[in-house]
Amino acid sequence: DADVTQTPRNRITKTGKRIMLECSQTKGHDRMYWYRQDPGLGLRLIYYSFDVKDINKGEISDGYSVSRQAQAKFSLSLESAIPNQTALYFCATSDKAGETQYFGPGTRLLVL
Amino acid sequence: AQKITQTQPGMFVQEKEAVTLDCTYDTSDQSYGLFWYKQPSSGEMIFLIYQGSYDEQNATEGRYSLNFQKARKSANLVISASQLGDSAMYFCAMREGRGYGGATNKLIFGTGTLLAVQP
Repeated sequence: DADVTQTPRNRITKTGKRIMLECSQTKGHDRMYWYRQDPGLGLRLIYYSFDVKDINKGEISDGYSVSRQAQAKFSLSLESAIPNQTALYFCATSDKAGETQYFGPGTRLLVL
Repeated sequence: AQKITQTQPGMFVQEKEAVTLDCTYDTSDQSYGLFWYKQPSSGEMIFLIYQGSYDEQNATEGRYSLNFQKARKSANLVISASQLGDSAMYFCAMREGRGYGGATNKLIFGTGTLLAVQP
């Protein structure tokens, strides 16, 4: 079984809808991250969390919110989706040393 | 500000040959980490190799090695004996801040290099 899982793997939604992307990990890591990937731009950090209830903004947090209610779960919400949030979204985890981040398989989101 | 630059948007290499993917970085931190990730067409991000800024030896992981030149601020990935399955997008990334304690551990990514291995 994969150590970092993301659901759903693919999602199509309409402008203005609220959606949630889920991330779960079995690695026992404290730190979790959400990134988005756009063509030609690499990955950019949206939010990160170092522990339960700890939330920190990343580079591009506007239009997103997150929740960390348990060590193993970190969810990303788009309160009112817009087309330029169409992207590939990755969740990642790392331990306290943080030397390596392990990524989930990604969620492809299309906002029409 | 920290920055990662990958100047090669795409490269071809013949199967069984070695290939070098370039990466330069900019940081004012004394302690940092450099990473390479592989992203095949299926989309997942696969960790390949890590180099710490204080590591004296270049990192190696099987057919992957990282040519770390600190003074030049470069961290090139070398893939030896290329295989068809190496065809993918490759991202260089840098960990911001120190690895231990209260560091953010945020990763800053380059824009990637698309590698195509030809038979």
